[in-house]
Amino acid sequence: DAKTTQPPSMDCAEGRAANLPCNHSTISGNEYVYWYRQIHSQGPQYIIHGLKNNETNEMASLIITEDRKSSTLILPHATLRDTAVYYCIVRVTGTASKLTFGTGTRLQVTL
Amino acid sequence: GAVVSQHPSRVICKSGTSVKIECRSLDFQATTMFWYRQFPKQSLMLMATSNEGSKATYEQGVEKDKFLINHASLTLSTLTVTSAHPEDSSFYICSAWDTSINEQFFGPGTRLTVL
Repeated sequence: DAKTTQPPSMDCAEGRAANLPCNHSTISGNEYVYWYRQIHSQGPQYIIHGLKNNETNEMASLIITEDRKSSTLILPHATLRDTAVYYCIVRVTGTASKLTFGTGTRLQVTL
Repeated sequence: GAVVSQHPSRVICKSGTSVKIECRSLDFQATTMFWYRQFPKQSLMLMATSNEGSKATYEQGVEKDKFLINHASLTLSTLTVTSAHPEDSSFYICSAWDTSINEQFFGPGTRLTVL
């Protein structure tokens, strides 16, 4: 699986949009971009994934650049409960392949 | 999404004893499950891949005789930490692959403390 690079930490004011970047310059054509988050002392939670088109669900939006070398996870209206470590992972979908977690971005949402 | 449970959520044991952790997929069948370990302030590290009805595949550096994995049914995988020592104290997390939608879901984790 391709490696990813994320900033170690970010702050965001409650109610504002949180934009979390991820670089994946060595991504292959058949690899998807996945985002998970881990709230303290819990298991990771799936957020969203995409191949090349922008994606949106009830939790977040995913913006993938045209060259697919980077992406941004957007939490449109961050709340205190969104404080967590966010992991960007690239992998081939459709197979039971292992997930390789990097160090992620620790997002702190503040009042 | 699909639900994965782990039991127990917390366990404290004495050094030298063995501890079994269960991972269950509650509303789907999982032919493949994964076991991760996470030390404080670190990321998740994959320990092994568990396939129903066959031997687990361990990552490099993980002792297969110390971390016994059994995946005897499509909804249950177990991890047994044998002869546990304080350095085995960690947060153990499993995940299960839902073949019906080709996605992976995580359990809530088990915190093991070895005294």
